[in-house]
Amino acid sequence: EPEVTQTPSHQVTQMGQEVILRCVPISNHLYFYWYRQILGQKVEFLVSFYNNEISEKSEIFDDQFSVERPDGSNFTLKIRSTKLEDSAMYFCASSRFSDLWGAFFGQGTRLTVV
Amino acid sequence: KQEVTQIPAALSVPEGENLVLNCSFTDSAIYNLQWFRQDPGKGLTSLLLIQSSQREQTSGRLNASLDKSSGRSTLYIAASQPGDSATYLCAAPPQGGGFQKLVFGTGTRLLVSP
Repeated sequence: EPEVTQTPSHQVTQMGQEVILRCVPISNHLYFYWYRQILGQKVEFLVSFYNNEISEKSEIFDDQFSVERPDGSNFTLKIRSTKLEDSAMYFCASSRFSDLWGAFFGQGTRLTVV
Repeated sequence: KQEVTQIPAALSVPEGENLVLNCSFTDSAIYNLQWFRQDPGKGLTSLLLIQSSQREQTSGRLNASLDKSSGRSTLYIAASQPGDSATYLCAAPPQGGGFQKLVFGTGTRLLVSP
């Protein structure tokens, strides 16, 4: 069964450093998303991406965040200068169509900023 | 603004019991609603997706219902097993429909004891 894969599963970084979280969405999916979950809190939407551009972003997704689809298979989330409060589980998701189909989520990358 | 709430926050039952998890959403103009399972420190596994035109969806021992008019969905788990222990999340698209981002509930943490 096709699945969304994320790497690494756990990343520890020092405050102020840049990190890149990587995702390989399901191959025939057209919409890509990043969500995050701070420990003990709700899963929150960060950004959606379609046709090589951001289609929507939340207020959390400020200038320190960026997304990219560098090739036909990878989808990345870059955090430019990490803060302690960026520590969270980051989930990548993809979907075939925007409305009628469900989203498939990866297993997440746990980011710890120290 | 779409808001999703889930009750109860936690549930502990003995093995073999049938149980119901509840999800409420404020905006009934949704295209679909998804139920997910999350194991501790792990990713999100999609369990069931109910389209707005459907009233229920079944997968094995799981049955999800959707009542758009009342803004409610329920997840019914039959003959619960210790392996069902996890957090169950429901998620709905934002106000006005579309699927640019899912709005998640806080989840119900289920513990099934042998």
